[in-house]
Amino acid sequence: RKEVEQDPGPFNVPEGATVAFNCTYSNSASQSFFWYRQDCRKEPKLLMSVYSSGNEDGRFTAQLNRASQYISLLIRDSKLSDSATYLCVVIGYSSASKIIFGSGTRLSIRP
Amino acid sequence: DVKVTQSSRYLVKRTGEKVFLECVQDMDHENMFWYRQDPGLGLRLIYFSYDVKMKEKGDIPEGYSVSREKKERFSLILESASTNQTSMYLCASKLTARGANVLTFGAGSRLTVL
Repeated sequence: RKEVEQDPGPFNVPEGATVAFNCTYSNSASQSFFWYRQDCRKEPKLLMSVYSSGNEDGRFTAQLNRASQYISLLIRDSKLSDSATYLCVVIGYSSASKIIFGSGTRLSIRP
Repeated sequence: DVKVTQSSRYLVKRTGEKVFLECVQDMDHENMFWYRQDPGLGLRLIYFSYDVKMKEKGDIPEGYSVSREKKERFSLILESASTNQTSMYLCASKLTARGANVLTFGAGSRLTVL
């Protein structure tokens, strides 16, 4: 089993739709969680950190479910510019912990 | 904002050539990383460094070496490039090893080995 798993998609949704995707992780000791966005042929960029209580940034909401070991990203009122690949990132607590990337979920917003 | 700069955006090299990929960060981060990204395989860690002159193997170190002589600079070296090393190479840095501080990437170096 992969340490971090994401549905690769692609998710193809109309503009204005709400879309959500999950990322599951296998190590219950994981400590920090992030969503990154990667545009085609560009580097990943931080979209948002994921906090235990859940957090929102405009149209984006991130949730963490420690009991079921997954994080989620919800995008409301999707825009054409939201088309990208979304990577989840999981980091452990200790200094030796690896940074684990999901393989990414491809999202395509159509007009 | 942290800036991570990779010296070459696009390179074309021949099989057997030595290749240097340079990465510089400007925020005094302790940790630096080299990844490669390939379609269907995601990001894979090649090497990382948590301090000057320190290096650790990642998941796929074979065929690569690294150098960190100064805190701000982390170089990836392909001693003898091969066609299966054609890839997008991403450098990243992070303040400390422990969790919550974010990982910042450079713009990437797309290497083609002929």
